[in-house]
Amino acid sequence: NAGVTQTPKFQVLKTGQSMTLQCAQDMNHEYMSWYRQDPGMGLRLIHYSVGAGITDQGEVPNGYNVSRSTTEDFPLRLLSAAPSQTSVYFCASSQSGTEGSPLHFGNGTRLTVT
Amino acid sequence: AQKVTQAQTEISVVEKEDVTLDCVYETRDTTYYLFWYKQPPSGELVFLIRRNSFDEQNEISGRYSWNFQKSTSSFNFTITASQVVDSAVYFCAPFTGTASKLTFGTGTRLQVTL
Repeated sequence: NAGVTQTPKFQVLKTGQSMTLQCAQDMNHEYMSWYRQDPGMGLRLIHYSVGAGITDQGEVPNGYNVSRSTTEDFPLRLLSAAPSQTSVYFCASSQSGTEGSPLHFGNGTRLTVT
Repeated sequence: AQKVTQAQTEISVVEKEDVTLDCVYETRDTTYYLFWYKQPPSGELVFLIRRNSFDEQNEISGRYSWNFQKSTSSFNFTITASQVVDSAVYFCAPFTGTASKLTFGTGTRLQVTL
């Protein structure tokens, strides 16, 4: 039972490069989301999806794109990396986006932008 | 918009002491859920408890207990007889179905020493 799988675990980018953080879940969850965690800031919501084909912005969406073509996958794209995007990124999923189901988190991706 | 305040940035206790982590939230919704998550030094995020806004009955689970008071918008978490393994960052997070967003507080770092 893999749960939520994030790849890669670590990544170093140069300013201006683009990349995609992968997230996959095998629990048939409707709801998926991306958070970033910075020291002293808690976790902040970047984008979320309540089902395949549906995405919406969270608190800090600028510089990131998402799509949800399947129930299982929810990739996060950095269009042109900036040092301010250095952070730890967590993907999460839950059964429902409206019923307050607990989020299941991936193990995180530590991204450094130089 | 939801807002969460975890006023205690860091708490240090000696093993076997009891410790209470405070959480105060703001929400305009009448129906909502409240969560606590734990992040140990290894970095993963672990779900601890979920309460809904209709259920103010306090709960005890082993050494953990939770005190939810809707009148004061507080959802505090107590660890009885703390252990070194309880050392972690603890996050309080309200959730509303209308917004499908889980908003995290900035976390309280608990350090339990021998």
